[in-house]
Amino acid sequence: EVQLLESGGGLVQPGGSLRLSCAASGLTFSNYAMSWVRQAPGKGLKWVASISGSGGDTFYADSVKGRFTISRDNSENTLYVQMNSLRAEDTAIYYCAKALGVTIFGLSGAFDIWGQGTMVTVSS
Amino acid sequence: QLVLTQSPSASASLGASVKLTCTLSSGHSSYAIAWHQQQPEKVPRYLMKVNSDGSHTKGDGIPDRFSGSSSGSERYLTISSLQSEDEADYYCQSWGAGIRGVVFGGGTKVTVL
Repeated sequence: EVQLLESGGGLVQPGGSLRLSCAASGLTFSNYAMSWVRQAPGKGLKWVASISGSGGDTFYADSVKGRFTISRDNSENTLYVQMNSLRAEDTAIYYCAKALGVTIFGLSGAFDIWGQGTMVTVSS
Repeated sequence: QLVLTQSPSASASLGASVKLTCTLSSGHSSYAIAWHQQQPEKVPRYLMKVNSDGSHTKGDGIPDRFSGSSSGSERYLTISSLQSEDEADYYCQSWGAGIRGVVFGGGTKVTVL
């Protein structure tokens, strides 16, 4: 059974930094693109960033470009997102999600497995 | 720029059917989408992928009551024999090289009467 387990969330002041992790199990991790999706309290799902299976291609939502960095360690089956210059509007549950294929392009970009999420609160 | 449009809400009686629509913005009618269900206070769950030709591939364990279809720039999710546990938010998702990323619709809240 494929499982994704996020960690690293918490309370951080505006302008601060946080790194989230997502540990994957039950799959050949490098065969799949991975993504981060967030959900502000009472709001819908918003895509944050994606990374290809090899880690060679990364993509970001405009709202986080230049502040967030997605990365992965295929030897450790772990996905990361480094979040800098955090703002109040970054407050959300952050989910990691697995794509159907090695890229988020073609017919393989659907997210078929979701983690349980980790809460990030940006507040003074 | 791809935009996915969903009605904010839908409702139907227990045991009836409901059809949800996800509309792709102009110029993107060939894109596939995925449907996700999020029950109250739960994690999103992948339901299925729906291609532009109407073919669909469901996730593991998704009941036969859930089906997908397509017409032009619209992608549909039909839930038959509605059950109380189908009360949830339903999101469509699309992706592609043309948009250099991923986009979600605003979600449809389904109420079972």
